Amino acid sequence: QVQLVQSGSELKEPGASVKVSCKASGYTFTNYGINWVRQAPGQGLEWMGWIDTNTGNPTYAQGFTGRFVFSLATSVSTAYLQISSLKAEDTGVYYCARSLTVTTSPWGQGTLVTVSS
Amino acid sequence: DIQMTQSPSSLSASVGDRVTITCRASQGIRNDLGWYQQRPGKAPKRLIFAASSLQSGVPSRFSGSGSGTEFTLTISSLQPEDFATYYCLQYNSYPRTFGQGTKVEIK
Repeated sequence: QVQLVQSGSELKEPGASVKVSCKASGYTFTNYGINWVRQAPGQGLEWMGWIDTNTGNPTYAQGFTGRFVFSLATSVSTAYLQISSLKAEDTGVYYCARSLTVTTSPWGQGTLVTVSS
Repeated sequence: DIQMTQSPSSLSASVGDRVTITCRASQGIRNDLGWYQQRPGKAPKRLIFAASSLQSGVPSRFSGSGSGTEFTLTISSLQPEDFATYYCLQYNSYPRTFGQGTKVEIK
């Protein structure tokens, strides 16, 4: 079946970097874009942007430029979110989701990133 | 950017109640709207896409309506497993935007 499986929880110190993976299965990876969504502790959902899995072209929402990078490894049907120069306010659960506009749009299980010294 | 204003932010209801949640878009988005349910500690799950189409496997007590700027999610008879937080999402234009969420609690 169509599913997205994300990497496990991360605990990082301020200033470090983290790379979250999102592995797709059950469909042709390059047929659908991958979106990234953040949920800060106790807060709502925030769309971070998406990456075109066909071209590799990323689109970032305001507030997620500069330190946030979306990338791909199409040979292994995996999308990545890398966050550099981590700050305490980056703490939250990060979700990947297949194209939000189509009939079937599965989400990953979420990856908790905790930034703390 | 399109702003999605969701109301109420929370509500208390009993099992069997009819519940309605509203999302208002700051500009017309045709029917490019989804409704999501999120239980604590879980990933969001889409219930409705294209404003009124029920996602496969979702119980028929959930329904969506609306077009343009006004949208509603209705739960016809609230069940214990429906106590959760609900979000709308517009995918008409970039950036995609979510409503602030509605927490449905047990009365």
